[in-house]
Amino acid sequence: LAKTTQPISMDSYEGQEVNITCSHNNIATNDYITWYQQFPSQGPRFIIQGYKTKVTNEVASLFIPADRKSSTLSLPRVSLSDTAVYYCLVGGNAGKSTFGDGTTLTVKP
Amino acid sequence: ETGVTQTPRHLVMGMTNKKSLKCEQHLGHNAMYWYKQSAKKPLELMFVYSLEERVENNSVPSRFSPECPNSSHLFLHLHTLQPEDSALYLCASSQSSSGTGGGELFFGEGSRLTVL
Repeated sequence: LAKTTQPISMDSYEGQEVNITCSHNNIATNDYITWYQQFPSQGPRFIIQGYKTKVTNEVASLFIPADRKSSTLSLPRVSLSDTAVYYCLVGGNAGKSTFGDGTTLTVKP
Repeated sequence: ETGVTQTPRHLVMGMTNKKSLKCEQHLGHNAMYWYKQSAKKPLELMFVYSLEERVENNSVPSRFSPECPNSSHLFLHLHTLQPEDSALYLCASSQSSSGTGGGELFFGEGSRLTVL
């Protein structure tokens, strides 16, 4: 299973764009990159998933360079409610992905 | 509402008690999981079931006993637990636990367990 490395914590202010980068140097050919958000005492929630290039949905964008050894989750115009832990997972399917330490994002007013 | 329901949400038990956590998914998924999340630690995968058969057990102590009677229900039976077993226990489901193509885990809200 590919190991991921993320910053432990990040601070931002309301209305700013936040970019969280994840390193996964030993990503396998069949692996997808998936990001989850977790609030305290709740289960993680899926944000976005991608294999290569760029993926965008209603809440975030995911940028993956050609070598796929890293990825960047972009959250546009964050609000206080985006304060949470964000996990980057790499795996061929949902059951083959391992949660790392995650990045604690704190959004300040 | 994620389609995965866990009960109870909170549980306090003594070290000699026997209790069970229940998980039910309404998504038609074939795979279900138990995760443990201790304070300030990442999620640890405990058990994986695919089509009601256990496919992975990550060296979990025998005081935790899973049961998957059908593809929609998953139980975690608890007995003679230790205080260090206090944690948030999360159930999840996905379309499949194998193969490729990515896929998404759907988590329940968790069961907060306190062992006295």
